[in-house]
Amino acid sequence: SYVLTQPPSVSVAPGKTARITCGGNNIGSKSVHWFHQKPGQAPVLVIYYESGRPSAIPERFSGSNSGNTATLTISRVEAGDEADYYCQVWDSANDHWVFGGGTKLTVL
Amino acid sequence: QVQLVQSGAEVKKPGASVRVSCKASGYTFTSYAVHWVRQAPGQRLEWMGWINTGDGNTKYSQKFQGRVTITRDTSAGTAYMELSSLRSEDTAVYYCAREAPVYKNGMDVWGQGTTVTVSS
Repeated sequence: SYVLTQPPSVSVAPGKTARITCGGNNIGSKSVHWFHQKPGQAPVLVIYYESGRPSAIPERFSGSNSGNTATLTISRVEAGDEADYYCQVWDSANDHWVFGGGTKLTVL
Repeated sequence: QVQLVQSGAEVKKPGASVRVSCKASGYTFTSYAVHWVRQAPGQRLEWMGWINTGDGNTKYSQKFQGRVTITRDTSAGTAYMELSSLRSEDTAVYYCAREAPVYKNGMDVWGQGTTVTVSS
């Protein structure tokens, strides 16, 4: 089964840039979605197909994907961005969706 | 307002089955597939399967094959997920989510989650 690896935590000061990585074998050949999830709430799609943004998501959120690493970048981080972030890809070999282990973003 | 509303929390004994419902509103139910994803306490999100709400075709994760059944009632705009032979490891929050072709099959609308507790 395809494995996605994320760092357990990332910390950033308000106004700075946060980068959250998602590692997988040749993930650059796959389409990656990103979600955030706040405590007690359902996940929210923040980036689709590597770099697309749903209409309700601020331009501060962006994504990239190449080689073995996909990256979610959050510019000008705000306190409200504090959440768990998950990457997701379609594992075509096993015909199912796979999620990363999640990264807790802490705004200092 | 586009939303998915799930049924309430459940407490089940090991070996029992549970059925969770997911009622759609604010959009054409049969135009969007519905997925089921669960999250055990402190664990990552885990995809269980999905249903094509138009024709009823389903696809399940191999991990749950044989134990999970996803169905839909188009007249009620509702999808259902039934998980059988429950064990303590099935204690989790279960979510339904809509798949949006406009977002390259990203899951853009989620239900509020249903907590299922399996305990003797």
